[in-house]
Amino acid sequence: NAGVTQTPKFQVLKTGQSMTLQCAQDMNHNSMYWYRQDPGMGLRLIYYSASEGTTDKGEVPNGYNVSRLNKREFSLRLESAAPSQTSVYFCASSENRVDTEAFFGQGTRLTVV
Amino acid sequence: QKEVEQNSGPLSVPEGAIASLNCTYSDRGSQSFFWYRQYSGKSPELIMFIYSNGDKEDGRFTAQLNKASQYVSLLIRDSQPSDSATYLCAAGRGDMRFGAGTRLTVKP
Repeated sequence: NAGVTQTPKFQVLKTGQSMTLQCAQDMNHNSMYWYRQDPGMGLRLIYYSASEGTTDKGEVPNGYNVSRLNKREFSLRLESAAPSQTSVYFCASSENRVDTEAFFGQGTRLTVV
Repeated sequence: QKEVEQNSGPLSVPEGAIASLNCTYSDRGSQSFFWYRQYSGKSPELIMFIYSNGDKEDGRFTAQLNKASQYVSLLIRDSQPSDSATYLCAAGRGDMRFGAGTRLTVKP
C-alpha cells in the first residue's frame, strides 16, 4: 500500500520551461490537494480537487494548472516556470473535503534557474 | 494575512517540560482543525485533529479548541528530544489551509 506517490522527487528547470508533477493515491480518497512549501511560509494551497471532475483554486494558483485525471491521479502543471516557483511541492489526499486527515506524498523539490 | 496564523518560534523547552503551541484562524466557517508534525526534509504527518470545542487528549498530546475565540492549541507533555520538529496547524472548510508552522526544539 503506497499511499500518495509523487514524481519526480527532484527537478531542475530553466526559466520558461514547462513540466508536470504527477501525483497518485491508492487509498480511494475523494479529495486531493497540491501545496507548495517555502521557508517561513508553511504550506500554501495551490489547487485542490474535492472530487473526481472538479478543481478549485487555492491561495496561490497563479502560474499553475491542474488536472484531476481520474479518482487516483491529480497532476500539477507549470506552463512557463519562473524562479519564484522554486519550492518544495507536496501532493496530499483525504477521504473527504472537511473532516478527515490529509495524507502527504514525499514531496518534489523543484529548482527553477 | 494568512487565514491560519502561528507563532513561527523557534520554541525551545527542556526535556520533560510542557510545550505549548498556539494557532488562530480567521474563517469562522472552518469546521475541523488539525495538528501536523514535520521533521526536516520530510512530509507532514498527522498528530491530532479536533472538531468540537474543548480538549481532546491522546497520550502526551492535548488539543484545545475555542471556536468563539477562533483559537486552537496543542500541548505536549513530558517533551522528548524526538518531539523536535515543526508543528503545523491546519483548518478545514472544504479545502485545508495551513499556518506557517512553529519550530520546536526539545533540549536534553
